[in-house]
Amino acid sequence: AQKITQTQPGMFVQEKEAVTLDCTYDTSDQSYGLFWYKQPSSGEMIFLIYQGSYDEQNATEGRYSLNFQKARKSANLVISASQLGDSAMYFCAMREGNTGTASKLTFGTGTRLQVTL
Amino acid sequence: KAGVTQTPRYLIKTRGQQVTLSCSPISGHRSVSWYQQTPGQGLQFLFEYFSETQRNKGNFPGRFSGRQFSNSRSEMNVSTLELGDSALYLCASSFQGEDYNEQFFGPGTRLTVL
Repeated sequence: AQKITQTQPGMFVQEKEAVTLDCTYDTSDQSYGLFWYKQPSSGEMIFLIYQGSYDEQNATEGRYSLNFQKARKSANLVISASQLGDSAMYFCAMREGNTGTASKLTFGTGTRLQVTL
Repeated sequence: KAGVTQTPRYLIKTRGQQVTLSCSPISGHRSVSWYQQTPGQGLQFLFEYFSETQRNKGNFPGRFSGRQFSNSRSEMNVSTLELGDSALYLCASSFQGEDYNEQFFGPGTRLTVL
């Protein structure tokens, strides 16, 4: 069964600094996808970045990048130049199987990020 | 393009009642998934509908059911509500194309069972 582990319940980072949020996963599938979502206190889940298991390059989306290390089964999120608005809960999630046939996401327990002045 | 919409946003019910939540996916998206989020259990997958058919189901009792209409809008029903059903219910839509791997979530329906 698939599993996502986020070992950092909470993180603090100073404004304008970079921060890495850890995520490790466990799956026996060869084809899978890894997602990061941000959840502010309002509750909505905001899609940040996606990495497919066959993607050779690390995904990047603006200030977000995903450090994908397949052999170590890790998919860490790096946020560069943190902003106060980045304070939120961050979830790592995994989809097993091919894109066209499966949508079920398995989520980690989340990391609460607090950006300070 | 409008995002995923969920109605109602907030709901208060009492034990034993039933409730229906609605989700309208992004235009063109055919897959709708439902998730339950609680402080104790985190985010858990309920079920997924694709082209009006349930394609995946999580480990929830039969009190939780859903359906999808021909316009891809989906409803989720919970019968005989229990206190433990108090949660944020999120739905997500995706295109399910070959190169499209994003799942977009709605703002959620916060259900309180008294």
